[in-house]
Amino acid sequence: GQQLNQSPQSMFIQEGEDVSMNCTSSSIFNTWLWYKQDPGEGPVLLIALYKAGELTSNGRLTAQFGITRKDSFLNISASIPSDVGIYFCAGQLSNGNKLVFGAGTILRVKS
Amino acid sequence: DAEITQSPRHKITETGRQVTLACHQTWNHNNMFWYRQDLGHGLRLIHYSYGVQDTNKGEVSDGYSVSRSNTEDLPLTLESAASSQTSVYFCASGNSNQPQHFGDGTRLSIL
Repeated sequence: GQQLNQSPQSMFIQEGEDVSMNCTSSSIFNTWLWYKQDPGEGPVLLIALYKAGELTSNGRLTAQFGITRKDSFLNISASIPSDVGIYFCAGQLSNGNKLVFGAGTILRVKS
Repeated sequence: DAEITQSPRHKITETGRQVTLACHQTWNHNNMFWYRQDLGHGLRLIHYSYGVQDTNKGEVSDGYSVSRSNTEDLPLTLESAASSQTSVYFCASGNSNQPQHFGDGTRLSIL
């Protein structure tokens, strides 16, 4: 089945630093999504991308839908302690809104 | 506010028992999904439904079943629980215009 390669697996950064993570796939997706999961909770949608080349921001978060439709990245600027969590990318296929998920990036922030 | 609710939040049971996890959404979404989350595997799709009376197998469906008798509910049943099914289970809902929203999960331990 389809797989998403998400990297890095984990990051341990200093508060105030910028963060970048990305997902690549051998398959084409028509939507890319980025979710964040806090401990003991379900994933929460951060950003949804619907068009190839689209660049979208949500506060300190910026995400882009790759032009080939096979990749996406998420940047977090000026990280703060509450950014800690697991970030998942997900690609949505054209048939229905079934998703394929990356394995996640664990983000830890040193204050 | 619309929401998606999972119950119970935690459950401990014994191998061989039948277990049912509940998922209820008030978004009026047509599509509902069940995932399991395990270390090193991210989120894996168990079963999904695109509407009442519709059910489909995901990538890890063996040992699980679902039924969809109304729009709001998609219960997940483990027919005969096995220790390999110890996991955190997430339900999600969405439709063609809305990405998936997740519940807060059920932590299931099978002894």
